[in-house]
Amino acid sequence: DSGVTQTPKHLITATGQRVTLRCSPRSGDLSVYWYQQSLDQGLQFLIQYYNGEERAKGNILERFSAQQFPDLHSELNLSSLELGDSALYFCASSHAQGITMVVGELFFGEGSRLTVL
Amino acid sequence: GQNIDQPTEMTATEGAIVQINCTYQTSGFNGLFWYQQHAGEAPTFLSYNVLDGLEEKGRFSSFLSRSKGYSYLLLKELQMKDSASYLCAVRDGDYKLSFGAGTTVTVRA
Repeated sequence: DSGVTQTPKHLITATGQRVTLRCSPRSGDLSVYWYQQSLDQGLQFLIQYYNGEERAKGNILERFSAQQFPDLHSELNLSSLELGDSALYFCASSHAQGITMVVGELFFGEGSRLTVL
Repeated sequence: GQNIDQPTEMTATEGAIVQINCTYQTSGFNGLFWYQQHAGEAPTFLSYNVLDGLEEKGRFSSFLSRSKGYSYLLLKELQMKDSASYLCAVRDGDYKLSFGAGTTVTVRA
């Protein structure tokens, strides 16, 4: 158990719909990362937050948005869903931005499996 | 951007040694990570290199050459449970962590 909690574990929805994925980082971790993993692709970085502020953006579609709340949990919102959005969405957390730690490893949650029909 | 390359698949026999290579090109460098991922599960941290050389951790070792943009993960005394995908990940100058596509290792009896 990494200490990172993601809900829901599984989600099935239809094209055009909107869903929200939730992530609670490990206690004390300030950074939250979102990754998308499709069957034919590796882990694709979407976005990173640090202590409530967006810090880095990857290949995140305009239909997707995210935020980190004052209690440090994060939500990833996916709208106007398409078949190609079906994937495993991982949240990960780390303690620091990376500057102060020797090993700023990421701890991953179990993922939210999204199926768009 | 970042470019991280690793082989797609490797097969080895139980008890043997396998070396997974990773080459990368990044804008800035703040460390290279190896993660293990079993199908449908979360990636778990294996090793971290930020300086050149070899880091050993039990049956697993990881090597880094920053000048060559090259790393490898060495798995010794392979066990069936080592069958998994191994992900090379590089943290760039902005501390963004990007992953390679992963190498699927199959261990055969």
